[in-house]
Amino acid sequence: DAGVIQSPRHEVTEMGQEVTLRCKPISGHDYLFWYRQTMMRGLELLIYFNNNVPIDDSGMPEDRFSAKMPNASFSTLKIQPSEPRDSAVYFCASSLGPQNIQYFGAGTRLSVL
Amino acid sequence: RKEVEQDPGPFNVPEGATVAFNCTYSNSASQSFFWYRQDCRKEPKLLMSVYSSGNEDGRFTAQLNRASQYISLLIRDSKLSDSATYLCVVRVVGAGSYQLTFGKGTKLSVIP
Repeated sequence: DAGVIQSPRHEVTEMGQEVTLRCKPISGHDYLFWYRQTMMRGLELLIYFNNNVPIDDSGMPEDRFSAKMPNASFSTLKIQPSEPRDSAVYFCASSLGPQNIQYFGAGTRLSVL
Repeated sequence: RKEVEQDPGPFNVPEGATVAFNCTYSNSASQSFFWYRQDCRKEPKLLMSVYSSGNEDGRFTAQLNRASQYISLLIRDSKLSDSATYLCVVRVVGAGSYQLTFGKGTKLSVIP
């Protein structure tokens, strides 16, 4: 298996632009997680899905952030409009079951200028 | 108080040294415990789970003290390839949630 695949690997955009991050979980995994990592706050859970349904979005910082999972093999995290403070590394992870190992993608490094 | 606290380091140790990292967690309802490893500009990867009785995986030993809400990781005979950031992770289970909470990590540099 190719593991969790995220795209793009790097994104540089200007403040106010829409940003869409993409994730393909490991085939067969039924849980998908979106995290954000910064030097100041470390790795924080934004939202997670079970069988394509959002279960807990309490970590989503504000309404500018939204996430969808239209099918078992694809999820998006959208920021609209983006702000410089959104600059971070965004990771997607998936697991088979809620308490099994979470496998992380390589991350998307986002810079908002 | 942060939910999971770690000494950020960096720990700079010579090859062959023994090094220990500590971590404390604030939520007494935490049920599962892990150490993840994150290489520079890479994703976190599970290093090992931590069990109540303590567990060992080669040169790595993890210990848990539930009474003190304290987790440790010991690395013996450090290798250059052990250089990374080590993340302490806890899972609190409740109300249908299985969220992992990560510490900010302890950076280790093993020096030739």
